[in-house]
Amino acid sequence: EDQVTQSPEALRLQEGESSSLNCSYTVSGLRGLFWYRQDPGKGPEFLFTLYSAGEEKEKERLKATLTKKESFLHITAPKPEDSATYLCAVHLRAAGNKLTFGGGTRVLVKP
Amino acid sequence: GAVVSQHPSRVICKSGTSVKIECRSLDFQATTMFWYRQFPKQSLMLMATSNEGSKATYEQGVEKDKFLINHASLTLSTLTVTSAHPEDSSFYICSALGQGQETQYFGPGTRLLVL
Repeated sequence: EDQVTQSPEALRLQEGESSSLNCSYTVSGLRGLFWYRQDPGKGPEFLFTLYSAGEEKEKERLKATLTKKESFLHITAPKPEDSATYLCAVHLRAAGNKLTFGGGTRVLVKP
Repeated sequence: GAVVSQHPSRVICKSGTSVKIECRSLDFQATTMFWYRQFPKQSLMLMATSNEGSKATYEQGVEKDKFLINHASLTLSTLTVTSAHPEDSSFYICSALGQGQETQYFGPGTRLLVL
């Protein structure tokens, strides 16, 4: 069975304290892995797509990496405005255009 | 670019009434639209996938007669919650995927409260 697991469920950071979020997956036929940011009461906002192991993408304080089993979202020197829920999702070859989401990691960055 | 809107953003209704939620892609044509449901502190659960001009494909366990989906044009999909009950209260989010786009783009969500 295809599974996407995110850890930790919640993360409290001090401003400037770098950390990493994990998204592990056991799926067949990965076409792509997506990271989204979701603020409370809003829809997810697209951050990155990763397609192959070894790929890395960066945007401001965020950097996403991908291996054959997992993806990491690194937050470097976070600021309070980075507080959000970060969702990863996989796009499988056998699933058409559907995405399968992990449970998310709620990040709180305290000043 | 790639903006998706939803209307209304919040709706309160009485038990037994029907509620319609609209999802529009504002600056691109969406060949496929998706409807998700999200409970507090949980992730998104896909309810159904709809292609323009076709019947929606519902996920296992989602009642198609209760959650009516219409995708009449390349920029508009609607979700109608029929005979709503308190357990239908949730956050409903749509997304849209256009030709050649690498990802779905999400709407801002609709908070439904059924009294």
